[in-house]
Amino acid sequence: EIVMTQSPGTLSVSPGERATLSCRASQSFSSNLAWYQQRPGQAPRLLIYDASTRATGIPARFSGSGSGPEFTLTISSLQSEDFAVYYCQQYNSWPWTFGLGTKVEIK
Amino acid sequence: EEQLVQSGAEVRKPGESLKISCKATGYNFLNYWIGWVRQMPGKGLEWMGIIYPADSDTRYGPSFQGLVTISADESISTAYLQWSSLEASDTAVYYCASLSGHYDSSGSFYGYFDLWGRGTPVTVSP
Repeated sequence: EIVMTQSPGTLSVSPGERATLSCRASQSFSSNLAWYQQRPGQAPRLLIYDASTRATGIPARFSGSGSGPEFTLTISSLQSEDFAVYYCQQYNSWPWTFGLGTKVEIK
Repeated sequence: EEQLVQSGAEVRKPGESLKISCKATGYNFLNYWIGWVRQMPGKGLEWMGIIYPADSDTRYGPSFQGLVTISADESISTAYLQWSSLEASDTAVYYCASLSGHYDSSGSFYGYFDLWGRGTPVTVSP
């Protein structure tokens, strides 16, 4: 099973600043990785798939990069609605696995 | 509009059975994998399993194999998650989500969850 390790666990950022979230896989693979955002009390929402492709309707301030084992989600200028928990998920090999999440909070 | 409509909150006692549902509207249910994700209170997301409604091909995460059953009724575009004997540790919110992705040359599917339901809270308590 591929273990996905996200860091940091919590990221404190001021509105308008850049946030950089990391996701490291225990085994290397190319690009079968997705990022999701979960706001409090809401279902997760797909942000990025195939490591770097934005999902439909996702603002351009969200970008994904990297290839196994290191992946990055960057939010270029944090808006109030971006304070949430972010999860990475690999779909390269069974069983597909999620990271434990990074909480982005207001500094 | 593509949408997944999940059944409502459930409260059960340990040892009881339960079946929750997820109805798909606005897209061709048969031809997209659909899956279930667990979120225990205050915790992260866990991939439980997925099903391809057209042929009922089903895959389970190792933590859930033998503990739950995922099924689909193509006639009503609905996926199900069921337990035969609940435990207190099954208390969680359960999300259904449909997948998009790609197949490789051997027919293996690589998919991500791109349409989510709102979640079904399940509480198991004596």
